[in-house]
Amino acid sequence: DTEVTQTPKHLVMGMTNKKSLKCEQHMGHRAMYWYKQKAKKPPELMFVYSYEKLSINESVPSRFSPECPNSSLLNLHLHALQPEDSALYLCASSPNTGLDTGELFFGEGSRLTVL
Amino acid sequence: SQQGEEDPQALSIQEGENATMNCSYKTSINNLQWYRQNSGRGLVHLILIRSNEREKHSGRLRVTLDTSKKSSSLLITASRAADTASYFCVSSRGGYQKVTFGTGTKLQVIP
Repeated sequence: DTEVTQTPKHLVMGMTNKKSLKCEQHMGHRAMYWYKQKAKKPPELMFVYSYEKLSINESVPSRFSPECPNSSLLNLHLHALQPEDSALYLCASSPNTGLDTGELFFGEGSRLTVL
Repeated sequence: SQQGEEDPQALSIQEGENATMNCSYKTSINNLQWYRQNSGRGLVHLILIRSNEREKHSGRLRVTLDTSKKSSSLLITASRAADTASYFCVSSRGGYQKVTFGTGTKLQVIP
């Protein structure tokens, strides 16, 4: 199984809602990533987990809260978002941690719309 | 912020022609990867080249790496309409897993 599965595929939420995006992989990868991608822009790194510990936070606002409950799962909890947070959120995993991550495997993304 | 800058930003060619995309990066790297993205969905890994390699081939893809110039190029030979996509170079910035994307090249292959 070489898949990274993201749910939901689409999410519409109001600015006062609390929602979560989920990501799952069963490849035994020890690094997992969240990226945010706005239309016609490259993906921007948000968070990196290494061995289930948060290793990189790219100065992401606290209204985004990542969680890695176990080595296969990665969540992104969303609260009090702004319309400008509307984007495609991509999850990825890689077999290695550290400097040589190896290939990143991406999910299809969750398209978020904040009203 | 982006680690890599790619050019051209957009490229339109006829089917059967070759497409070349270039990537320049800022900091030293351990490896450089190229990914393809169709229609703003998930990304597909194309090829990885390590810092001690100068050239690598995979099917119709050829990647070169010049660490002295901090640049890489991706050549797609005999392009097909199905190659229409955005292409990104990806590298680790500042060491330790800050895997960041270049600005991307949008390729259109006209049948």
